[in-house]
Amino acid sequence: SQQGEEDPQALSIQEGENATMNCSYKTSINNLQWYRQNSGRGLVHLILIRSNEREKHSGRLRVTLDTSKKSSSLLITASRAADTASYFCATIAGGTSYGKLTFGQGTILTVHP
Amino acid sequence: DAMVIQNPRYQVTQFGKPVTLSCSQTLNHNVMYWYQQKSSQAPKLLFHYYDKDFNNEADTPDNFQSRRPNTSFCFLDIRSPGLGDAAMYLCATSINRDRLYEQYFGPGTRLTVT
Repeated sequence: SQQGEEDPQALSIQEGENATMNCSYKTSINNLQWYRQNSGRGLVHLILIRSNEREKHSGRLRVTLDTSKKSSSLLITASRAADTASYFCATIAGGTSYGKLTFGQGTILTVHP
Repeated sequence: DAMVIQNPRYQVTQFGKPVTLSCSQTLNHNVMYWYQQKSSQAPKLLFHYYDKDFNNEADTPDNFQSRRPNTSFCFLDIRSPGLGDAAMYLCATSINRDRLYEQYFGPGTRLTVT
C-alpha cells in the first residue's frame, strides 16, 4: 500500500511566492526524504530529515517533520520558474534493514514567470 | 561528472518481445536499484543489488529479471512485456544500503509496448 500521500496534487504559483507541499505517511519511519523530478526525467534528492529531527533547512528549502501526526511539509521560498517540477516525499520505514524508499504520489508544482 | 546513465532513453518493444534496459554508474556505489514509474504515479521499487546480492521485492512480477555483471553495470530484463509494463524505468544507486543514504537517479528509460 502507498506509504506517502501528498497534498496538494498540483500547485500553481507566481515567481517569488512561497510554495508549501505536504506529505502524510502511515507507518513509523527511520527518515523521510524529498525528491524533485523534472518532466520526463529522473529524480534528484533534495533533503533528508531523520525521525528524531523536527526541522531542517537547505538553501531555499525548509522541511518539517511531525512524527506524532505522521506528516511532513516542504516549503520552497522565493520560488523561481526553474522550480517547476514534481516533488515527491519518500519514506524509509523504521526497522527495515535496508534503504527501501516508498514514494508518495507527488505534487506537481508550476511556477509562472 | 560522476553520474548514473541509462540507455536507451526511449525504448519501443512489441508485446511479448524480450527487452533489456541498461544502467551504468561512475559513482562506484555498492547498491543499484530499479524502479518502475507509471504515468502520473509514484516510483515503485522492483528490486535492488547490494554488491552481487540480488534482492527482489515481494510483489515484483516474475516477468522482471535483473543482472549485475560488475559494480558499474546493471540490467533490467523484461522477458515478455505486456501493455501494462509500459512505464518509465528508473535506475538509482546509493553508497551503501544503510537507511540514511540518499539515492542518485538516472534520467530513466521510457518503455513503450506496442
